[in-house]
Amino acid sequence: EAEVAQSPRYKITEKSQAVAFWCDPISGHATLYWYRQILGQGPELLVQFQDESVVDDSQLPKDRFSAERLKGVDSTLKIQPAELGDSAMYLCASSLNSNRGGTEAFFGQGTRLTVV
Amino acid sequence: GQSLEQPSEVTAVEGAIVQINCTYQTSGFYGLSWYQQHDGGAPTFLSYNALDGLEETGRFSSFLSRSKGYSYLLLKELQMKDSASYLCAVRDNTNAGKSTFGDGTTLTVKP
Repeated sequence: EAEVAQSPRYKITEKSQAVAFWCDPISGHATLYWYRQILGQGPELLVQFQDESVVDDSQLPKDRFSAERLKGVDSTLKIQPAELGDSAMYLCASSLNSNRGGTEAFFGQGTRLTVV
Repeated sequence: GQSLEQPSEVTAVEGAIVQINCTYQTSGFYGLSWYQQHDGGAPTFLSYNALDGLEETGRFSSFLSRSKGYSYLLLKELQMKDSASYLCAVRDNTNAGKSTFGDGTTLTVKP
């Protein structure tokens, strides 16, 4: 069964260090999402891609976060420098083209980030 | 913008029926989804409603009233494995189709 792959599963980093997460969506899914989920809260959208283009990054802290999806397939989310408040689960999800009615998002297992 | 409200916790007994509510306010509504998330796991899709009424999938049903900004998820014949967090998510009607999630309702099923 096709699934969204994310790595690493767990990451511990010191504050002020750089950290990167990788996501490989389900083949053929044009839309890719990065969410941040703090314990006890729902996922918060950080950035949404349609193919290689960013269509929403209104909640992405652009002074320290960056995301790219150069070939419209896999994607990388980077934080530099990491802060204590960035400790959370980072979830990647993909769906069929959201512009054409794709409604179900498939989530990866996430990366649990701990900043110390 | 969008805002969603869900009860934080619900408890029910194995074999019973439970209803989890979600109310929302949005500037442009396209549809509402429900997801299940077990502790430490990823959200998994349960249902989607774009029009008013009831959608049934096995033991799970979801209802939507767009005029009231209200949805509920109904779980029948509860099993212990249904203990999880249930998230509602509203999708807006912009070209991006951005989804905003509620904070989830933790369902505890007791024997």
